[in-house]
Amino acid sequence: RKEVEQDPGPFNVPEGATVAFNCTYSNSASQSFFWYRQDCRKEPKLLMSVYSSGNEDGRFTAQLNRASQYISLLIRDSKLSDSATYLCVVRRPYNNNDMRFGAGTRLTVKP
Amino acid sequence: GAVVSQHPSWVICKSGTSVKIECRSLDFQATTMFWYRQFPKQSLMLMATSNEGSKATYEQGVEKDKFLINHASLTLSTLTVTSAHPEDSSFYICSASPSSGGLYEQYFGPGTRLTVT
Repeated sequence: RKEVEQDPGPFNVPEGATVAFNCTYSNSASQSFFWYRQDCRKEPKLLMSVYSSGNEDGRFTAQLNRASQYISLLIRDSKLSDSATYLCVVRRPYNNNDMRFGAGTRLTVKP
Repeated sequence: GAVVSQHPSWVICKSGTSVKIECRSLDFQATTMFWYRQFPKQSLMLMATSNEGSKATYEQGVEKDKFLINHASLTLSTLTVTSAHPEDSSFYICSASPSSGGLYEQYFGPGTRLTVT
């Protein structure tokens, strides 16, 4: 089993749609969780951290369910510019330097 | 702030040659840098963790004699792909961490696309 697993995608949605991505992680002791965005042939960029209480940043909402070891990302009112690959990232426990990436979910927002 | 650069951004080399990739933190000191590899349509795979002034820690399955890492200063780490082969063609990305504990980010370089012919 992979350490971080994501929805395989791809997701093709019209502008204005709401889309949700899921991610599960295998190490229950993991402490920190993130969503990164990666555009084609570019480096990943931090989209948002995921906190236990859930957090929102504009059109983006991240949720964490520690009991189920599950993380989600919700994008509302999707824009063309949201088209990218979204990476679920989990920081390994006891080593703040070590992050593990999911395979990513590709999103294409169409006019 | 927190800018990481990589050089070169792309390189084409012949099979059997060696290629050096540089990763620099431009406006902060990085005690730890990370080297990732990403094949097409796959996620980033951590190759090794590089700590300034000490030997790198390689992930299982990554040949340390093939992928030489040097982290000689707090702002520079290098990855040398020795005796490159076509299967080494990939997108190599480094990242740097400016602190040693607590919640913090890794800042990624723009990546180096290596093509071995």
